[in-house]
Amino acid sequence: DTEVTQTPKHLVMGMTNKKSLKCEQHMGHRAMYWYKQKAKKPPELMFVYSYEKLSINESVPSRFSPECPNSSLLNLHLHALQPEDSALYLCASSLRGGNNVDEQYFGPGTRLTVT
Amino acid sequence: RKEVEQDPGPFNVPEGATVAFNCTYSNSASQSFFWYRQDCRKEPKLLMSVYSSGNEDGRFTAQLNRASQYISLLIRDSKLSDSATYLCVVTGDSSYKLIFGSGTRLLVRP
Repeated sequence: DTEVTQTPKHLVMGMTNKKSLKCEQHMGHRAMYWYKQKAKKPPELMFVYSYEKLSINESVPSRFSPECPNSSLLNLHLHALQPEDSALYLCASSLRGGNNVDEQYFGPGTRLTVT
Repeated sequence: RKEVEQDPGPFNVPEGATVAFNCTYSNSASQSFFWYRQDCRKEPKLLMSVYSSGNEDGRFTAQLNRASQYISLLIRDSKLSDSATYLCVVTGDSSYKLIFGSGTRLLVRP
């Protein structure tokens, strides 16, 4: 079963709010990813966790704060976002971490609107 | 030059047609290659990995030409359900990082 789940499916938040996006996989994958996707554009990588440690931050603003509580869970904490941060936020996972190359499996995403 | 380039389409084909997409990539050090499909407002779904020897999965055939740095996807006997955006994906300098093309849109009409 190649299933990655994400909650919530939709989120509307004001610029002063704090919210969190959640991602979960039970496939034993050791790498997890956050992507941002704007309409009619391909996904853009934000963060990579490998073996529960943050290995890559693609110069993402600090108003986005990732967290990996355990090997199955990945959170993205949001604070003081801007309207231009409105997008589809996708979580993905892959079997191995480190420099291994594996297929990435995506969750259904959270559609975020910042008002 | 974009790292991964695809014809945006749309490719508008009748059911039963054969359609081919090409994709070129700029980084000769890329090691892994994939095709994903993405339906409107949905997540990308892995369609197939692309191997040096080429691979086939039912109606779908993928080919890799490392010398010319392009990847192809052939869809035979197109179905209405094949209508989607097809994303060509390669690994970048860091193998964990996927570089996505902008996608090729396919519309299959009855």
